[in-house]
Amino acid sequence: AQSVTQLDSHVSVSEGTPVLLRCNYSSSYSPSLFWYVQHPNKGLQLLLKYTSAATLVKGINGFEAEFKKSETSFHLTKPSAHMSDAAEYFCVVRGPYSGGYNKLIFGAGTRLAVHP
Amino acid sequence: DTAVSQTPKYLVTQMGNDKSIKCEQNLGHDTMYWYKQDSKKFLKIMFSYNNKELIINETVPNRFSPKSPDKAHLNLHINSLELGDSAVYFCASSQAQGGSSYNEQFFGPGTRLTVL
Repeated sequence: AQSVTQLDSHVSVSEGTPVLLRCNYSSSYSPSLFWYVQHPNKGLQLLLKYTSAATLVKGINGFEAEFKKSETSFHLTKPSAHMSDAAEYFCVVRGPYSGGYNKLIFGAGTRLAVHP
Repeated sequence: DTAVSQTPKYLVTQMGNDKSIKCEQNLGHDTMYWYKQDSKKFLKIMFSYNNKELIINETVPNRFSPKSPDKAHLNLHINSLELGDSAVYFCASSQAQGGSSYNEQFFGPGTRLTVL
């Protein structure tokens, strides 16, 4: 079965320092993986997606993630945090194809706090 | 222009009442979804409709009934509200998906339901 585990429920960084949000996945086949961001009182927005093309995926707002099959990881990084990056981040795996469709399976989320 | 909109944004009601949440998308998408996000931010799909046809129906109490009058609208009606129904409910939409393809899901801003 497909699943994702976000290793940190909270991450706190200073503005201008690197961001690392960790995600491990479990999948019985080549996975499709995504990172979504949820700003306070807002809906979710897709940051980036991996669908078996390049293993280093670049997303919006300077974020990127690297798919590492040997480590079953899909960590999200950003070289320099900005105050506006403070939000909840979700690692997501596409579930099995069933009934003609795929469900998204969400991780528990990581809350990123950015301090001045 | 709002891509996926939900009304109301906040809903406070008493146990035992019946309430509805409305969702509309102006993206021309074929597929719409309802998700529930609990107090720990865990996000789980409830329903999905494609062209007014129910395609995903997770283990959700019968008190929850989605209705799709057309492919641009997916409403959620909840009967006999319980305390445990308190959550944020997100509507989302995407182009039809399945198999090896993935189409980004666009989320609405959420409806925060509080049952007293």
